[in-house]
Amino acid sequence: GAGVSQTPSNKVTEKGKYVELRCDPISGHTALYWYRQSLGQGPEFLIYFQGTGAADDSGLPNDRFFAVRPEGSVSTLKIQRTERGDSAVYLCASSFGESSYNEQFFGPGTRLTVL
Amino acid sequence: GDSVTQMEGPVTLSEEAFLTINCTYTATGYPSLFWYVQYPGEGLQLLLKATKADDKGSNKGFEATYRKETTSFHLEKGSVQVSDSAVYFCALIKYSSASKIIFGSGTRLSIRP
Repeated sequence: GAGVSQTPSNKVTEKGKYVELRCDPISGHTALYWYRQSLGQGPEFLIYFQGTGAADDSGLPNDRFFAVRPEGSVSTLKIQRTERGDSAVYLCASSFGESSYNEQFFGPGTRLTVL
Repeated sequence: GDSVTQMEGPVTLSEEAFLTINCTYTATGYPSLFWYVQYPGEGLQLLLKATKADDKGSNKGFEATYRKETTSFHLEKGSVQVSDSAVYFCALIKYSSASKIIFGSGTRLSIRP
């Protein structure tokens, strides 16, 4: 079956612009996660959705970052007033249920470059 | 806070060599431990996992044993292949958290034919 998909695969923007990154989870997966992977580093947790609600947004770095999942499936990560330091690969993952026992399946990521 | 520390790379080995990538963790409670792999041009994939002390995770010839006494989860393979060239991430998850995975910084492995 289809895995987690993310669009666009690459996004280049200018400092100060607004961007949206999209994630389509595996069908039937109720839990969805966003991570950010800076160059040479491991992924860092941003936010976790269980259904439509953000169950844990403790990893969002500041109020320029926001994510939604209005129908409990597709999620959009929104970044306002982008800064050069936001350049990274943004990863989405989904899992069946919220238990820590359930494997998270990762998408290929969106590479964001802020000029 | 909870964290994972792993061997810095890059690691370069010849084909059929023995591989060890060290990983230690800091966490309260009883985390589950993982190794993820990222092949060139592909997404993160779960390689193996262990959910409690003394468990051994294994897959594709790779093994790692959950050692609570040394808070370690070292990755090993007896004979590496060129196709094992990738970036390897050690990671943990805690049952009490909202399922967020905490990753190490990754180790790039290159295998020479």
